[in-house]
Amino acid sequence: QSVLTQPPSASGSPGQSVTISCTGTSDDIGGYNAVSWYQQYPGKAPRLMIYEVTKRPSGVPDRFSGSKSGNTASLTVSGLQAEDEADYYCSSYAGSNNLRVFGTGTKVTVL
Amino acid sequence: QLQLQESGPGLVKPSETLSLTCSVSGGSIRSNNYYWGWIRQPPGKGLEWIGCIFFTGNTHYSPSLKSRATISIDTSKNQFSLKLYSVNAADTAVYYCARHWARAHDYWGQGTLVTVSS
Repeated sequence: QSVLTQPPSASGSPGQSVTISCTGTSDDIGGYNAVSWYQQYPGKAPRLMIYEVTKRPSGVPDRFSGSKSGNTASLTVSGLQAEDEADYYCSSYAGSNNLRVFGTGTKVTVL
Repeated sequence: QLQLQESGPGLVKPSETLSLTCSVSGGSIRSNNYYWGWIRQPPGKGLEWIGCIFFTGNTHYSPSLKSRATISIDTSKNQFSLKLYSVNAADTAVYYCARHWARAHDYWGQGTLVTVSS
């Protein structure tokens, strides 16, 4: 069971867009349309932002969008706001034993 | 509104057993739609999936922790629990319980820090 690879950091100015990648294998990201993304502030629990690659739970701004190509998933935050400064983690379903794997995490800084 | 709350000792000695309980309120744990699971996060590090359980008692575990972890469920109390055996310093982490939905985790507890130290 491997960990998904994310860049350690990403940044952008207010109003700009930032895209975070999440690279796995054909056993996880590439094999299932089951990628989710989480936002986490320091000392707080993660919050689900995207599920099943592209879907947003109720209450998540449409500035957040997800996509996938092959073994790599991406989260794009458009129109960056100061409140978007946080850690972001991807996750994927990874097999018939209901396995899950998480990404290494990306710290997003709003300049 | 569904709420999850972790409880258990904040300090465990090396080689002993870590025991945590997640109490679920605002909804029933007896649902065909959800698994209930545990995720941990060592200080300053990323998230690690531990495992999950269905209300029938069916469980799934991370291969890396399968030999040391047991997840159980008590539907009468609307709770599920984690036991992690033979802990060491590397098991020091914030432990979260969460609901599994649409192959994601949509509701999380606030997390509880467990430190392994003598």
